[in-house]
Parts: sequence; structure tokens; C-alpha cells
Amino acid sequence: AQKITQTQPGMFVQEKEAVTLDCTYDTSDPSYGLFWYKQPSSGEMIFLIYQGSYDQQNATEGRYSLNFQKARKSANLVISASQLGDSAMYFCAMREGPRVGNTPLVFGKGTRLSVIA
Amino acid sequence: DVKVTQSSRYLVKRTGEKVFLECVQDMDHENMFWYRQDPGLGLRLIYFSYDVKMKEKGDIPEGYSVSREKKERFSLILESASTNQTSMYLCASSSKGQPMNTEAFFGQGTRLTVV
Repeated sequence: AQKITQTQPGMFVQEKEAVTLDCTYDTSDPSYGLFWYKQPSSGEMIFLIYQGSYDQQNATEGRYSLNFQKARKSANLVISASQLGDSAMYFCAMREGPRVGNTPLVFGKGTRLSVIA
Repeated sequence: DVKVTQSSRYLVKRTGEKVFLECVQDMDHENMFWYRQDPGLGLRLIYFSYDVKMKEKGDIPEGYSVSREKKERFSLILESASTNQTSMYLCASSSKGQPMNTEAFFGQGTRLTVV
């Protein structure tokens, strides 16, 4: 079974508008972390934002925020005021724990976001 | 500044060749990972390592092996390259024993084509 599901293969958004990228996850571990990464066409993976399973508040980092709904097992990324430079692949990922050391990140299939001028 | 460096950006190899993909990190991270990325499939874990000379299989280890003789270096080996191993390969590292919010740092990727 898929641990991370991203149902939107591609999304379009008008410049300066907000956009939500969907992510649902599957785990029975009470302790886990959720991550979002951005991958521009150049290929590097850029860490954007993190949400812990015990965090009471939704994470925010500049124009990025994470809409965390624990009961629904969803961790959607919201990008406000989209810019042309936001055009990229976006990956949702999860780490389950806690265990000795860090367990590997498990990734979704990604969503390609295109920002239109 | 954390740096994860992969030895090649682009690589073309022939079917049946033995292929080495090298990855070096300069932040003294204990954990290192190899993923492959294919369109529509996202990133899939091949192998990972928590310490020198230690390795664990990921989700798709078949056709691959790894080597970690030094803490900073993690090599992915394709014993006999096949065309279905044409893909983007991403190396990552992270620090062990840190809180759950420790992100993994990625290299720039190696696009391997097997002909």
C-alpha cells in the first residue's frame, strides 16, 4: 500500500494566486514527520517545510504553510502569492519513528506545479 | 553549508557494464541513502546506510549493491547494467540521532542512460 499519496500529477496556478498541493499519508505509528521538497528543472531537491505528528500548530515557512489534518491523515502544502519561480515538482515525504537513528524518507509520486504569468 | 556531491551529472553506459555511482558528503552525517527517480513513480529507496560498512535494503534493491568504506562516501554499484536501470539517481544524507524534523540533504542527481 502507498504510504504517501499525491493525487495531482499536475497543477496550474496564476501568478500571485494561492495554490494547494494535496498529500495524504498512511501510517499506524503515532510518531512521524511529514516533509515537503521542491525540485526545480535543474534537479536539486530543496527542503521546504516540516510538520511533526505531535505538533499542535500548522507549520509555516514564509509563503509556505502546511495544512495538517491529523484525523484525515492529510498534509497539504499551501503556497501563497505564487511566483514564476515556484514552477517545479513538489514531493511530499514521511519519516516514521522514533527509532535509533533516522529512518529513511518515503516519498510520494510528486505534483508538477506550473505558474502562469 | 551542507554539501552532498555526486560524481557525475550525466552518464551513458552500455548494457552489461559494471557501473559505479559515487556520493560524498562533507557534514559528517551518519546516514546516507540512494534513491532512483522515474517519471510518475516519484523517488524510490534503493539502499541506505547508518554507519560505515553497514547497509540496508530499501524498496527496490534488485540489481544494485552498495559500498560504504568511509563515513563520507556511499557508492551505488550496478553489477551488470540493464536498460531498465536508465533513471535519475539521487544520493542523500542526514544526521543520526537528531529530532524527527531533521531533513535529508540531497546531491544534484546523476542521470544514467544505459544503451
